[in-house]
Amino acid sequence: SQQGEEDPQALSIQEGENATMNCSYKTSINNLQWYRQNSGRGLVHLILIRSNEREKHSGRLRVTLDTSKKSSSLLITASRAADTASYFCATDRNSGGYQKVTFGIGTKLQVIP
Amino acid sequence: GAGVSQSPSNKVTEKGKDVELRCDPISGHTALYWYRQSLGQGLEFLIYFQGNSAPDKSGLPSDRFSAERTGGSVSTLTIQRTQQEDSAVYLCASSPGSVIRGTEAFFGQGTRLTVV
Repeated sequence: SQQGEEDPQALSIQEGENATMNCSYKTSINNLQWYRQNSGRGLVHLILIRSNEREKHSGRLRVTLDTSKKSSSLLITASRAADTASYFCATDRNSGGYQKVTFGIGTKLQVIP
Repeated sequence: GAGVSQSPSNKVTEKGKDVELRCDPISGHTALYWYRQSLGQGLEFLIYFQGNSAPDKSGLPSDRFSAERTGGSVSTLTIQRTQQEDSAVYLCASSPGSVIRGTEAFFGQGTRLTVV
């Protein structure tokens, strides 16, 4: 099955609450990245966490990585209506001597004002 | 250019016609990816280029789909004899392609293909 699977597939919360999205993967990785997509067009990179890191912060975003469980989580604190989007995790790993990035199916987040 | 450029941004075609979708990656990026996204769905991997070669074509859904990349830069995705189920947004992304240079993927805004 696909490398990088997010859950839940859809999440609806009230503005001000925290949103947590999870990602699992199957093979060993170099890095794990999270992306955001608005309106079904191009994705925008949010944050990258290396395989030797356990936690990383960027503004209201907090990412954790547990390589023993092959899982990651993205936490958005104090959510805003503008955070409504789809969020994707992506793993990059060695593939034939190169680095290949593989995306999961995404979590649709709706933040209700 | 400053970012990944895809053209056309929208394409309406009749069933059975061939279409070509173009992707101009960021200069110097060796890795290039094509994905497809149907309405409300996740990303479906199509093909991955490293330079001009395609080490992974596993996502191409049928032999009607083909892609090439020339000069380690521009890529073209061709769909022959289009079918209505080919309607989707086709997204292209590029990245530096190595751990040292970086693996962050930069996306174009996609081509919305509608087959009528």
